[in-house]
Amino acid sequence: GQQVMQIPQYQHVQEGEDFTTYCNSSTTLSNIQWYKQRPGGHPVFLIQLVKSGEVKKQKRLTFQFGEAKKNSSLHITATQTTDVGTYFCAGLPSDQGGKLIFGQGTELSVKP
Amino acid sequence: GAGVSQSPSNKVTEKGKDVELRCDPISGHTALYWYRQSLGQGLEFLIYFQGNSAPDKSGLPSDRFSAERTGGSVSTLTIQRTQQEDSAVYLCASSFGQGPYGYTFGSGTRLTVV
Repeated sequence: GQQVMQIPQYQHVQEGEDFTTYCNSSTTLSNIQWYKQRPGGHPVFLIQLVKSGEVKKQKRLTFQFGEAKKNSSLHITATQTTDVGTYFCAGLPSDQGGKLIFGQGTELSVKP
Repeated sequence: GAGVSQSPSNKVTEKGKDVELRCDPISGHTALYWYRQSLGQGLEFLIYFQGNSAPDKSGLPSDRFSAERTGGSVSTLTIQRTQQEDSAVYLCASSFGQGPYGYTFGSGTRLTVV
């Protein structure tokens, strides 16, 4: 079936280092969304990318959607302890309506 | 309401008992989704509703699991004859509809089967 693979599964960084998580889909996506789940919390919507090659920024976070609309990345510059949590990508396959396909998530821990 | 509301927030039940989990979506959101999340794991899709219809029930783990939605609003997820492997956080989300809309998640119901 359709899958969205996300790597790495875990990332431990020193505060101030950069962090990147990557998503790859087996099929073309009409859009991709990113969510953040703080420890003990629930996923919270961060952003949606729709266009091929789109890049969006939110402060220290940069989101990219690949040219083929099959991959995406989230890059955090100069991580802070408030960035701790699990980041999920979620793609909507182009050939159907319906539900997002979630990646397995990348758990980020930040050492102060 | 202002957000997606789930109840109860915590439920401890004995193995073999039935449980009902409730989700009250954001007013005006026509799509509603149920996910399950085990400790430290990703989001396991269970079922979604568009209005009162469930176009995709493919994620329900067994026939002990069922869900309904009435009036295009509140949804109930029922687990019959609970087993220990059913222990997890059950998350509900809603969105404006199918397509390019972000999901708003509730805080979840933590189910513990003892």
